[in-house]
Amino acid sequence: EPEVTQTPSHQVTQMGQEVILRCVPISNHLYFYWYRQILGQKVEFLVSFYNNEISEKSEIFDDQFSVERPDGSNFTLKIRSTKLEDSAMYFCASSEQDTEAFFGQGTRLTVV
Amino acid sequence: RKEVEQDPGPFNVPEGATVAFNCTYSNSASQSFFWYRQDCRKEPKLLMSVYSSGNEDGRFTAQLNRASQYISLLIRDSKLSDSATYLCVVNKENTPLVFGKGTRLSVIA
Repeated sequence: EPEVTQTPSHQVTQMGQEVILRCVPISNHLYFYWYRQILGQKVEFLVSFYNNEISEKSEIFDDQFSVERPDGSNFTLKIRSTKLEDSAMYFCASSEQDTEAFFGQGTRLTVV
Repeated sequence: RKEVEQDPGPFNVPEGATVAFNCTYSNSASQSFFWYRQDCRKEPKLLMSVYSSGNEDGRFTAQLNRASQYISLLIRDSKLSDSATYLCVVNKENTPLVFGKGTRLSVIA
């Protein structure tokens, strides 16, 4: 069964450092997303990506964040100058049409 | 008012019990409705889509009431493996999924 894969599974970084979270969406999917979940809280939307550009972004997705699809398979989330409050699970998701989405296993980001 | 509201639980039920989860949503323009399941520290997994006529998948039944902006999930004959957090999720066309905070279920032997 096709699945979304994310690397790394866990990333520890120092405050102020840059991190890149990587995702390989399901191959025939056209819509890609990043969500995050702070421990004990709900899953929150960050950004959606379609046709090689951002289609929507939330208030959380400020100038500190960027996304890229550098080749035909990878989809990355970059966080510049990480803050303590960026510590969360980051989930990549993809969908064939802009409806139900399938999630990767997540990257646990810990900022120290 | 929160976009998607759920009873946080936890619901602690014995094996074999029937349990129902409720969810309300605030955006009347919402068009698609889903139940996702999330195990502790894992990703959300699609359990089932919810259709206007109601739909069933084995022990799971989902209902939608658009007039009341209310969605439900019924689990019959609960198994230990059903223990998880159940997330109510909605969206409208060309917008991202909006998640409720989830209802935690513990099925006890």
